[in-house]
Amino acid sequence: EAQVTQNPRYLITVTGKKLTVTCSQNMNHEYMSWYRQDPGLGLRQIYYSMNVEVTDKGDVPEGYKVSRKEKRNFPLILESPSPNQTSLYFCASSLKGAITEAFFGQGTRLTVV
Amino acid sequence: QKEVEQNSGPLSVPEGAIASLNCTYSDRGSQSFFWYRQYSGKSPELIMSIYSNGDKEDGRFTAQLNKASQYVSLLIRDSQPSDSATYLCAVQHTGRRALTFGSGTRLQVQP
Repeated sequence: EAQVTQNPRYLITVTGKKLTVTCSQNMNHEYMSWYRQDPGLGLRQIYYSMNVEVTDKGDVPEGYKVSRKEKRNFPLILESPSPNQTSLYFCASSLKGAITEAFFGQGTRLTVV
Repeated sequence: QKEVEQNSGPLSVPEGAIASLNCTYSDRGSQSFFWYRQYSGKSPELIMSIYSNGDKEDGRFTAQLNKASQYVSLLIRDSQPSDSATYLCAVQHTGRRALTFGSGTRLQVQP
């Protein structure tokens, strides 16, 4: 089954404690991205990757890092989480970037206290 | 001005009626347009994509694109309670390698 898998689904952490949210896709897609979703603000892109070792900032990259060492994986790293990073996070992949359908992971609800 | 604008709703329609959802966008050169449905607490899923002016139909759903007026709409015929969700409009702006999403319209279909 074609899918994008995120882990964990739910995470509560404390300010400053480094965390990683994993994302993996099995569709051999070139393009992967991370979004955060906040009430009234919609989905905002954090980072994206056009292919292995190619990443770039989205609209709200501050406080986040990513890496793309393998085509299927695109982890999101919060080096020093802060309460304003409390949000619902989605990983997405698509075959050829924004011109093609994006498939979303199940979401990770992160709470930073 | 937001790049992609949607009325947040809720838009309430009775079961069996036509629901009309609208979206406007700022970049006249945009080429790719998508409608996603998102149930509460779930991930977005693609409903329709449209790339050229006019109508595109898929089952009960019709997407309409008017590039001159910079709007895209989604019509849902014979609305069902299971259609109650938030509908997200997404646009690929010229030169950008990412989709820009509107904040979504919440649709409520009353039984």
